This record gives sequence, structure tokens and C-alpha cells, in this order.
Amino acid sequence: NAGVTQTPKFQVLKTGQSMTLQCAQDMNHEYMSWYRQDPGMGLRLIHYSVGAGITDQGEVPNGYNVSRSTTEDFPLRLLSAAPSQTSVYFCASTQGDRAEAFFGQGTRLTVV
Amino acid sequence: GEDVEQSLFLSVREGDSSVINCTYTDSSSTYLYWYKQEPGAGLQLLTYIFSNMDMKQDQRLTVLLNKKDKHLSLRIADTQTGDSAIYFCAESGASGTYKYIFGTGTRLKVLA
Repeated sequence: NAGVTQTPKFQVLKTGQSMTLQCAQDMNHEYMSWYRQDPGMGLRLIHYSVGAGITDQGEVPNGYNVSRSTTEDFPLRLLSAAPSQTSVYFCASTQGDRAEAFFGQGTRLTVV
Repeated sequence: GEDVEQSLFLSVREGDSSVINCTYTDSSSTYLYWYKQEPGAGLQLLTYIFSNMDMKQDQRLTVLLNKKDKHLSLRIADTQTGDSAIYFCAESGASGTYKYIFGTGTRLKVLA
């Protein structure tokens, strides 16, 4: 049981480039989310999905797109990378009575 | 809006108790959580408390919840060097919503 798998682990982009961060879970969870982690700011919610075909914005959605065509996959797209998007990105899936979130290992993104 | 606050750093000696504090604003949260993040890794659920409880004990961990003051604390007894990590307080929002609000994280350093 792999849990939540994120790829890549590290990425360097030039300003203006686009890319997709991949996230897959094998726990059949309906709820998935993307966070970014910045020093001194904790984790901030970018986008989330309550099931296949349904997505919504979180606290900091600007510059990011998501889609949820299957229960398993929830990719995050950076449309035109900016240095302000340098961060560590975490994908999580959540389900159950106590709403435990299971996190991927993170993607460390640097935009130069 | 909702906000969760924590102090950024805590340093303790091995064998002492650690107390990490958190204040939150959303009184509708069903659960409150403590997540642990080790270097280079994602977050893992450490413990949680249901909102109608005052205290929960789990081996070396004690969680105290003061709903009147919206204050949550995590006590780690007999702190070990392996406890060095970042600890995040989080609230889940109202029942059925998985939109976590995370604190800024407290970096615990355990001195040998």
C-alpha cells in the first residue's frame, strides 16, 4: 500500500515555464488537496477536490490549476511559474470519521 | 477568517517534557490534530482530539483542549532526540469538511 505518491521530488523551473506536479493515491479516498509550505507560514491550501470531476479553490489558488478526472489522481499545474511559487508542495488525501490526512513526501520547487 | 497560531521554536533537553501550544479561532471544528514533520518528509498524524473532549493521553503524548480559550497543547513526556521535528497544530473545520487550517508549525529541538 503506497499511500500518497508525489512526483517529482525536486524541480527547478525558469520564470514563465509551466509544469505539472503529479499526485496519486491508492486508498480510494474521495477528498484530495494541495498545500504549499513556506517558512514561518505553515501549510496553506491551494486547491482541493471532494471527488472525481469536482474541484474548488483554497486559500492561495492564483497561478495554479487542478483537475480530477479519476479518484486516484489529482495533478497540480503551474501555468507560468514565478519566483513567488518557490515552495514545498504537498498533496494529501483524506477520509474517515476522524478526517485523517495522508500526505505525500512533497515536491521542492525552485523558480529562478 | 480562521487562524491557527503557534510559537515557532522550542528547545528542550533530552528526558525533559516538551509542551507545544496552539491557539485556534474556528469553534466549529470537530477534530483538532497534531501532525509531525521530520526533515525532508511529509506530515504524519501524531494524535488528535475530538472537540468535546478536554484531554487525551496516548503513551508519552498528552493533548489538552480548552475550548473556552480555544487553546490546544501537546505535551511530550521524556522527550528524546528522535522527537526533534516540526509539529503542526491543525483544525478540520465543521464536520464533513476536510479543509484543514494548519498552524505555522513549532520546530522542536531536543538537546542531548
